[in-house]
Amino acid sequence: QVQLQQWGAGLLKPSETLSLTCAVYGGSFSGYYWSWIRQPPGKGLEWIGEINHSGSTNYNPSLKSRVTISVDTSKNQFSLKLSSVTAADTAVYYCARHKTIYYYGSGSAFFDYWGQGTLVTVSS
Amino acid sequence: DIQMTQSPSSLSASVGDRVTITCRASQSISSYLNWYQQKPGKAPKLLIYAASSLQSGVPSRFSGSGSGTDFTLTISSLQPEDFATYYCQQSYSTLRTFGQGTKLEIK
Repeated sequence: QVQLQQWGAGLLKPSETLSLTCAVYGGSFSGYYWSWIRQPPGKGLEWIGEINHSGSTNYNPSLKSRVTISVDTSKNQFSLKLSSVTAADTAVYYCARHKTIYYYGSGSAFFDYWGQGTLVTVSS
Repeated sequence: DIQMTQSPSSLSASVGDRVTITCRASQSISSYLNWYQQKPGKAPKLLIYAASSLQSGVPSRFSGSGSGTDFTLTISSLQPEDFATYYCQQSYSTLRTFGQGTKLEIK
């Protein structure tokens, strides 16, 4: 059974850097993209970016200038850093596995395993 | 960006009701459409992938349909545990995007 366990600082001041890590237990670490997704209180879901085991990344253009996602394959972990945070970055942050499948000449991709979420609050 | 628009934003229904939620993409996404259920304080849970494929372990009262730009999630007979918020999400584009959510409440 695949499990994602995440951790990191929950309270930041404006201009600081958010740092979260997600560890993957069970299953393969390679062959997937590993994503970060956030959800402001009472609002919807926003995809932040993703990384694979080789270190190839994709980022949401709206956050790209402030985001770095890295991977440590020796520990089956990946991490998120978001710089220069403001109150607008207050949210629950989730890590998730992005799985791609191919069939009948077509394909699909989806988030099938999620971490438990970490509330990050930015306040002076 | 591919914009995903859900309707309605909220919905009141009773146990046993048949419920349909709609998701529209701003451009064709083939069948790269997924549905998630989220309960308060919990991570989203995958229900349907590839527009109509039921994720393992998800009750068969959930079904999905559609392709291109218009998609639906149907719950055939609402159960008490189904009251939650539902999100659609497209993976056609590398910039993954979600709908704004549909909150399903008890009438």
